[in-house]
Amino acid sequence: KQEVTQIPAALSVPEGENLVLNCSFTDSAIYNLQWFRQDPGKGLTSLLLIQSSQREQTSGRLNASLDKSSGRSTLYIAASQPGDSATYLCAVSAHKLSFGAGTTVTVRA
Amino acid sequence: GAVVSQHPSWVICKSGTSVKIECRSLDFQATTMFWYRQFPKQSLMLMATSNEGSKATYEQGVEKDKFLINHASLTLSTLTVTSAHPEDSSFYICSAQTTGGTNSYEQYFGPGTRLTVT
Repeated sequence: KQEVTQIPAALSVPEGENLVLNCSFTDSAIYNLQWFRQDPGKGLTSLLLIQSSQREQTSGRLNASLDKSSGRSTLYIAASQPGDSATYLCAVSAHKLSFGAGTTVTVRA
Repeated sequence: GAVVSQHPSWVICKSGTSVKIECRSLDFQATTMFWYRQFPKQSLMLMATSNEGSKATYEQGVEKDKFLINHASLTLSTLTVTSAHPEDSSFYICSAQTTGGTNSYEQYFGPGTRLTVT
């Protein structure tokens, strides 16, 4: 059974700092890995999807890396802003998605 | 593109009644849709996988007679919570999976439905 772990569970940084969110998974037989953002009481917003054959994906201030062999992914958010405050979820796909518990980020103005 | 809608966005019902939640893929066809449940401050838990034209596959511990899933077309899946109880109060989120292309197996998520059972 796939187990997805996200560290840290919560993170608080001052505006302008870079954010580093970690995700690890136990079974490397995956199709892809996705990072999502979830605001309180809202649904999921897909941020980045990395196919199993890829090493990283970038979108604006976001960069996600994937090391499938070691079962790890890292989401980097550069120059954080208060609007980045949310819960970030990592999910790995192998016929179905397995989610981590999320990292709740607070960016202080 | 790849927009998924859910209706209703929130619903309050009395204990013992049934509630139907719709999930629609608006601009693509999805042979597979997924239903998740999320309790406060917890992550998403997969309830069932819905395939168009066939019976849904339920995860262990999910009562199929309580959570009825119908996937009658390539753009619509419904979840009916039967004889709802307060412990069924939760945030229900659906997703639709693309059938091919460069983003095969990517799931697109609906905005969620907040169910409160009184």
